[in-house]
Amino acid sequence: GAVVSQHPSRVICKSGTSVKIECRSLDFQATTMFWYRQFPKQSLMLMATSNEGSKATYEQGVEKDKFLINHASLTLSTLTVTSAHPEDSSFYICSATRGGVETQYFGPGTRLLVL
Amino acid sequence: QQQVKQSPQSLIVQKGGISIINCAYENTAFDYFPWYQQFPGKGPALLIAIRPDVSEKKEGRFTISFNKSAKQFSLHIMDSQPGDSATYFCAASTPGGTSYGKLTFGQGTILTVHP
Repeated sequence: GAVVSQHPSRVICKSGTSVKIECRSLDFQATTMFWYRQFPKQSLMLMATSNEGSKATYEQGVEKDKFLINHASLTLSTLTVTSAHPEDSSFYICSATRGGVETQYFGPGTRLLVL
Repeated sequence: QQQVKQSPQSLIVQKGGISIINCAYENTAFDYFPWYQQFPGKGPALLIAIRPDVSEKKEGRFTISFNKSAKQFSLHIMDSQPGDSATYFCAASTPGGTSYGKLTFGQGTILTVHP
């Protein structure tokens, strides 16, 4: 149990376009979902925390207008990178927790390349 | 105070040997310490986790040793195998409040196990 999926696994887009990444908990209801960004050979950097039905909480330095997060249901959260630029190219990973348990279950990640 | 410092940055071990990765923290409010394994291009997967009321936890070939007074914890991989070659991250989180479940990650250790 505790499977988290992400879609797409890889996306290439042109500079200035927007990209949406989906994160789904497949076999449990996720009370909280987290979005991370990871550059090559670096650690995971938390971007934001989202709870179903409420606004996401962004980490310091993360532009909330650029990285839009919607946690519409207990099994789905989306991250939209608006007006993407080459510096937004990275590996984006989501994770989810289920009620009362702090264990985070991670998705497989989405590789974003902005040309 | 929120940092988790991980060492070494990289580690090379022969097949059958013991791999040891260390982490240190400052925030005494941390009460949950998981270790994650990440293969290239994949999301992190939970390996094993411990709470500060336990000094050691073992699951198969993986053991966490926890020293609360020194604010240090370590991962031991016994009988290391080439398939264990991956990046390992330690992490820590605090209980309750707005930071519930929010993980602070170490910098990561790239483990290479030679056959």
